[in-house]
Amino acid sequence: GQQLNQSPQSMFIQEGEDVSMNCTSSSIFNTWLWYKQDPGEGPVLLIALYKAGELTSNGRLTAQFGITRKDSFLNISASIPSDVGIYFCAGSGGSNYKLTFGKGTLLTVNP
Amino acid sequence: SAVISQKPSRDICQRGTSLTIQCQVDSQVTMMFWYRQQPGQSLTLIATANQGSEATYESGFVIDKFPISRPNLTFSTLTVSNMSPEDSSIYLCSGRDRGIGELFFGEGSRLTVL
Repeated sequence: GQQLNQSPQSMFIQEGEDVSMNCTSSSIFNTWLWYKQDPGEGPVLLIALYKAGELTSNGRLTAQFGITRKDSFLNISASIPSDVGIYFCAGSGGSNYKLTFGKGTLLTVNP
Repeated sequence: SAVISQKPSRDICQRGTSLTIQCQVDSQVTMMFWYRQQPGQSLTLIATANQGSEATYESGFVIDKFPISRPNLTFSTLTVSNMSPEDSSIYLCSGRDRGIGELFFGEGSRLTVL
């Protein structure tokens, strides 16, 4: 089945720093989604990408759908304490629209 | 975006019992899914809940253990049967309102099996 490699596994940064995380796939995806999960909550959708090369922003967040359709990255600029959480990439390919999730990146922001 | 509500939000269960989780969406969605998130892990798809017919299960998940119902376009249930401590997880309901649209999640149901 499809596999996603998400890195880094965890990050510990200072408030105000920029953050970058990425996902690579063993197969081509048609859709890339990025989610954030806070403790005790379900994942919340941050950004959705549907076309190779697409670059999309949501406030301080920017994500790109890789040209090869096998990778995506998420950048967070000027991090703040509320950015703390687990970030998941997810992708789907083919006609079944089922999502495969990465293992997540745990982000800690030191005030 | 659709708002998805789940209940119970958490429960502590005894080994050998069964628990049914309910998922309610505030609008009609074409597709609904159930995921499991074990402690400290990512999300794993259990099954696709099909309206009016049997759910489609992923490898490693079977109907006898995780029976699913979806009587209409806004409601689904997942039952975790004959629970063991290994079933302690967060169970997440999700919905998609278009074939290739975004997937939205409920807040999850955290089950602890003693």
